[in-house]
Amino acid sequence: QKEVEQNSGPLSVPEGAIASLNCTYSDRGSQSFFWYRQYSGKSPELIMSIYSNGDKEDGRFTAQLNKASQYVSLLIRDSQPSDSATYLCAVKGAGGTSYGKLTFGQGTILTVHP
Amino acid sequence: GAVVSQHPSWVICKSGTSVKIECRSLDFQATTMFWYRQFPKQSLMLMATSNEGSKATYEQGVEKDKFLINHASLTLSTLTVTSAHPEDSSFYICSATRVGALSRTGEKLFFGSGTQLSVL
Repeated sequence: QKEVEQNSGPLSVPEGAIASLNCTYSDRGSQSFFWYRQYSGKSPELIMSIYSNGDKEDGRFTAQLNKASQYVSLLIRDSQPSDSATYLCAVKGAGGTSYGKLTFGQGTILTVHP
Repeated sequence: GAVVSQHPSWVICKSGTSVKIECRSLDFQATTMFWYRQFPKQSLMLMATSNEGSKATYEQGVEKDKFLINHASLTLSTLTVTSAHPEDSSFYICSATRVGALSRTGEKLFFGSGTQLSVL
């Protein structure tokens, strides 16, 4: 079983729609969760971080965390073609995990078409 | 914002040669740097954690004699792929954390621009 699992997609949504990206993780003790956006051939850039159950909103982005279900999601409202990228879910494990060590999902390819 | 410079951005080499990739934190001191590898359409896989002045910690399955990591200063870490083979062709990315960063990583984790390695 993969430690961090995402649907690889591709996920295709029309411009202006809501894109919903999902991620599940296996380490129940995980404390920190992140969403990165990665354009082809580029390094990841941090979009959102979330640490507590519930929703966290930042502009058009909303991260949702449910630790009981070991599930984290990212919603992108009013999707734009420039949002087309691969979205990586990353999780920092509990306790003994070394500082800075993140486990990444395989990424979901999002395509926003005009 | 903090900048991590990674060089070269791409390299093509012959099988059997060694390739060195540099990762520099330009405007902050990085106590720890991380090296990742990413194959096409796959996730970033952590290869090793590099701490200034000490030996790198390698992840399970990563050959430390093949992937040499040196972190000689608080602003520079290098990854050398020794005797590269076609199966080493991948996208290599470094990241760095700032000295005094908050305990919640991710927000203080800065990525380099990546190096695409192609071994012929």
